[in-house]
Amino acid sequence: GENVEQHPSTLSVQEGDSAVIKCTYSDSASNYFPWYKQELGKRPQLIIDIRSNVGEKKDQRIAVTLNKTAKHFSLHITETQPEDSAVYFCAAISHNAGNMLTFGGGTRLMVKP
Amino acid sequence: SAVISQKPSRDICQRGTSLTIQCQVDSQVTMMFWYRQQPGQSLTLIATANQGSEATYESGFVIDKFPISRPNLTFSTLTVSNMSPEDSSIYLCSVEGLTYTGELFFGEGSRLTVL
Repeated sequence: GENVEQHPSTLSVQEGDSAVIKCTYSDSASNYFPWYKQELGKRPQLIIDIRSNVGEKKDQRIAVTLNKTAKHFSLHITETQPEDSAVYFCAAISHNAGNMLTFGGGTRLMVKP
Repeated sequence: SAVISQKPSRDICQRGTSLTIQCQVDSQVTMMFWYRQQPGQSLTLIATANQGSEATYESGFVIDKFPISRPNLTFSTLTVSNMSPEDSSIYLCSVEGLTYTGELFFGEGSRLTVL
């Protein structure tokens, strides 16, 4: 089945700096890669996703890049703000795993004012 | 999007008891998913529940420990049986969006503490 590795597990940045979170996946058949944000005590919510037919997608301060050859994808947050502080999870769908999402281990992002 | 209600939101349970978590969705959905999130950890799929058939369990999870019901297209329950402190986790119900893009919508979760 699919295996998703996520790094770093924790990330601390100054407000206004950029943050980058990286994930690798194992199944070359995976074609959908979402990112979820989970604030303390809240449910995970989708913030951005990318499909395997594109290499980059951007939504305001958030962007995701995908390298299918290397089987890795990254989340980029620019001009970070304290409200970006949360745990971020990457995920991938593997057709070999019945189209179920496999989540990475999560990254705790702390944005210091 | 889908609106998902889960209850209880939290509970403190005694070792050896069982607790049933309810999940209600505001629209009819084919599949409902139950996840476990242990403290400080990622989300792990427990099982997929389809209406009218037995749930499909992931490796490491069994029906006797986590029986699931799916009586209709908007409701499901997950029971955590014979609980031990290791079962202390957040249990989340989720569904796919109606456009089937792959996005999952989650309930607020049920935080169980087993003493």
